[in-house]
Amino acid sequence: EPEVTQTPSHQVTQMGQEVILRCVPISNHLYFYWYRQILGQKVEFLVSFYNNEISEKSEIFDDQFSVERPDGSNFTLKIRSTKLEDSAMYFCACTGDTEAFFGQGTRLTVV
Amino acid sequence: QKEVEQNSGPLSVPEGAIASLNCTYSDRGSQSFFWYRQYSGKSPELIMFIYSNGDKEDGRFTAQLNKASQYVSLLIRDSQPSDSATYLCAVVWGYFGNEKLTFGTGTRLTIIP
Repeated sequence: EPEVTQTPSHQVTQMGQEVILRCVPISNHLYFYWYRQILGQKVEFLVSFYNNEISEKSEIFDDQFSVERPDGSNFTLKIRSTKLEDSAMYFCACTGDTEAFFGQGTRLTVV
Repeated sequence: QKEVEQNSGPLSVPEGAIASLNCTYSDRGSQSFFWYRQYSGKSPELIMFIYSNGDKEDGRFTAQLNKASQYVSLLIRDSQPSDSATYLCAVVWGYFGNEKLTFGTGTRLTIIP
């Protein structure tokens, strides 16, 4: 069964450092998303990406965040200067016709 | 502000009984409704989705949608200990190509052997 693959599974970084979270979506899916879930809280939408550009972004997705699809397969989320409050699980998702499929997530810990 | 509300639980159900999970949403313009299961520390896993009013059955799971009441529910028949998880209700309001999910806080379900 096709799946969404995320790397790394866990990343620890120092405050102020840049991190890049990577995702390989399902190959024939066209719409890509990043969500995050702070421990004990709800899953929150960050950004949607279609046709090589951002479709929509939430208020969480400020100038410190960026997304790109550098090579037609990978889909990345970059956080330029991490803050303690960026610590969360980050989920990549993609959709084909209907439902969204989620990757296994990257646990980001900012220390 | 589009909101999705769920009772956070915990909801405890004896093994073999029916578990009933409820969700309400704030905006009548919603398009699609999804139920995800999330085990602790894991990603959301799709159980089923529903678009039309009424019931939709898939194995032991039945989703029910009532758009007039802005209410969607999930029934789990013959509950098993492996069903113990947090169940997330999610609603799509976006237009085609931008179908972002808005999640509720989730209901923690515990099946008691």
